[in-house]
Amino acid sequence: RKEVEQDPGPFNVPEGATVAFNCTYSNSASQSFFWYRQDCRKEPKLLMSVYSSGNEDGRFTAQLNRASQYISLLIRDSKLSDSATYLCVVIPAPGGGNKLTFGTGTQLKVEL
Amino acid sequence: DGGITQSPKYLFRKEGQNVTLSCEQNLNHDAMYWYRQDPGQGLRLIYYSQIVNDFQKGDIAEGYSVSREKKESFPLTVTSAQKNPTAFYLCASSIGWFPNTGELFFGEGSRLTVL
Repeated sequence: RKEVEQDPGPFNVPEGATVAFNCTYSNSASQSFFWYRQDCRKEPKLLMSVYSSGNEDGRFTAQLNRASQYISLLIRDSKLSDSATYLCVVIPAPGGGNKLTFGTGTQLKVEL
Repeated sequence: DGGITQSPKYLFRKEGQNVTLSCEQNLNHDAMYWYRQDPGQGLRLIYYSQIVNDFQKGDIAEGYSVSREKKESFPLTVTSAQKNPTAFYLCASSIGWFPNTGELFFGEGSRLTVL
């Protein structure tokens, strides 16, 4: 089983829709979680951290479910500019040197 | 503006040739990293450096070499020993080594194609 798994998509949604995607992780002792955004043929950029209590930033909400070992990203009122690939990133359990483990990404396409 | 500059953006090389990818940052970050991204795979860590004159192998270091003679610079050489060098290479930096904030600052990447 991969350390971090994501549905590659693409998720095609109309503008204004609400969309959510998950990311599962295999190591139950993983300590920190993040979402990065990567535009087509560009570099990844940190979108938001994922806290145990959830984290909201405008139209974006990130949540962590430790019992089921997944994190989620919810985007409300989708914009065309939200079209990108969203990378799930996990810092594994202590002892791994805090190395970030990247998922393969979920592609989102927002359409008119 | 502070940032990370990678060059060249696109590079074509014949099989068997070594190539060096440049990475320069003016963010005053101590830590720098090289990742490789292939279709259908997550970013994979090649090498990383915590401070000047020090670097460690990442998960897929075979066929690659680096140097860190200056804080600002972390060039990556893709040698002829690398079996599948065609990929998108990303350089990154951070304030501390693999910070708990999870925030790495990436350059725009170098796309290497070996013919």
